[in-house]
Amino acid sequence: AQSVTQPDIHITVSEGASLELRCNYSYGATPYLFWYVQSPGQGLQLLLKYFSGDTLVQGIKGFEAEFKRSQSSFNLRKPSVHWSDAAEYFCAVGESGANNLFFGTGTRLTVIP
Amino acid sequence: SQTIHQWPATLVQPVGSPLSLECTVEGTSNPNLYWYRQAAGRGLQLLFYSVGIGQISSEVPQNLSASRPQDRQFILSSKKLLLSDSGFYLCAWIRGVAYTFGSGTRLTVV
Repeated sequence: AQSVTQPDIHITVSEGASLELRCNYSYGATPYLFWYVQSPGQGLQLLLKYFSGDTLVQGIKGFEAEFKRSQSSFNLRKPSVHWSDAAEYFCAVGESGANNLFFGTGTRLTVIP
Repeated sequence: SQTIHQWPATLVQPVGSPLSLECTVEGTSNPNLYWYRQAAGRGLQLLFYSVGIGQISSEVPQNLSASRPQDRQFILSSKKLLLSDSGFYLCAWIRGVAYTFGSGTRLTVV
């Protein structure tokens, strides 16, 4: 069965520091992978997605993620965090033709000055 | 451009009252539409999806129902709300494989 694990419920980083949010998935086929960001009281915004090809994908707002098949991971990274990055981040996995995405439980990011 | 609208943004309803949340999509035709629920401290759970008018698939048994009376309209309903129905409800439509989400409705059942 498909599943997504985000092992970190809450992460606190200082503004300007680097960030890595972890995501591990369990999926039988080659997955489609996504990272979404949710600001408080808002819907989800797509940060980036991986379908195939280059395993390092660039997204909006300076984020990137790397697909590592051997580790079943799709970790999100940003070299220098801004205060406006404070939000909840969701990793999701799906496949072409499917009518569902499986979401992780999210990682809440706090940015301190 | 394609946009998705959800309303209301916030709703407080007593136990046993009915519910109707509406979602509409603009700028596209025949979209696949979805209702997700996000409970506090949890990820997103797919409740319903629809591939066309009058076509509803339910993912989990529950107190809620969905309808799609028009191509770009998706409604989430309940006849009698339970306390456990509280949560953040998100409508979404799919373009290719990536979902686009509405801004959500915060439902509190009291």
